[in-house]
Amino acid sequence: QSALTQPASVSGSPGQSITISCTGSSGDVGAYNLVSWYQQFPGKAPKLLIHEVSKRPSGISDRFSGSKSGNTASLTVSGVQVVDEAVYFCCSSAGDNKWVFGGGTTLTVL
Amino acid sequence: EGQLVESGGGLVQPGGSLRLSCEASGFNFSSFWMHWIRQVPGKGLAWVSRINTNGRRTTYADSVKGQFTISRDNAKNTLFLQMNRLRVEDTALYYCVRSSLVTGDGFDIWGRGTLVTVSS
Repeated sequence: QSALTQPASVSGSPGQSITISCTGSSGDVGAYNLVSWYQQFPGKAPKLLIHEVSKRPSGISDRFSGSKSGNTASLTVSGVQVVDEAVYFCCSSAGDNKWVFGGGTTLTVL
Repeated sequence: EGQLVESGGGLVQPGGSLRLSCEASGFNFSSFWMHWIRQVPGKGLAWVSRINTNGRRTTYADSVKGQFTISRDNAKNTLFLQMNRLRVEDTALYYCVRSSLVTGDGFDIWGRGTLVTVSS
């Protein structure tokens, strides 16, 4: 189970939109619409932001959106704010009831 | 909103064993798949293991298969992870996590984690 590939860091100015990519393979991201995204602040547990590629759990801001094309999933944060500074992880089903995570992307709001 | 509280972490020598526990509250524990996910401090997340609702079906990451055993006691709302033949590379914060069909098996409730340190 190879980790999904995410950029180590992304940055943006307040109000801009940023996109974080998550590249896998035809055995995980490309095979299943079971990609999820998590937000993690320092010293805290991750929090579910997006599930099933593009669905938001109750209570998650509509500034967060997800999509997928082929073996690459993406998380877009619209109107990025300082409070969005965190590490973001993608995750995908890898079949056989196994899951694989990306390495994480640090979002910096300049 | 449910809650998960892990315990059982600590310092152990290479080759040793530990048993992690996770007590669930605030939701019908027996109705949900449960997982262990680990994180080396400052690093990424790694899925470790999953167990189905009745405890009869389990899966493991290749890196821990044959070394770790996941189990659950639905009567006590508790999830376990038996960790044997521990290696330095097993050092991590271990999270107990719930997944839900409502969230397409997304990991929707996380504990705060219990730290396992394998060192001589």
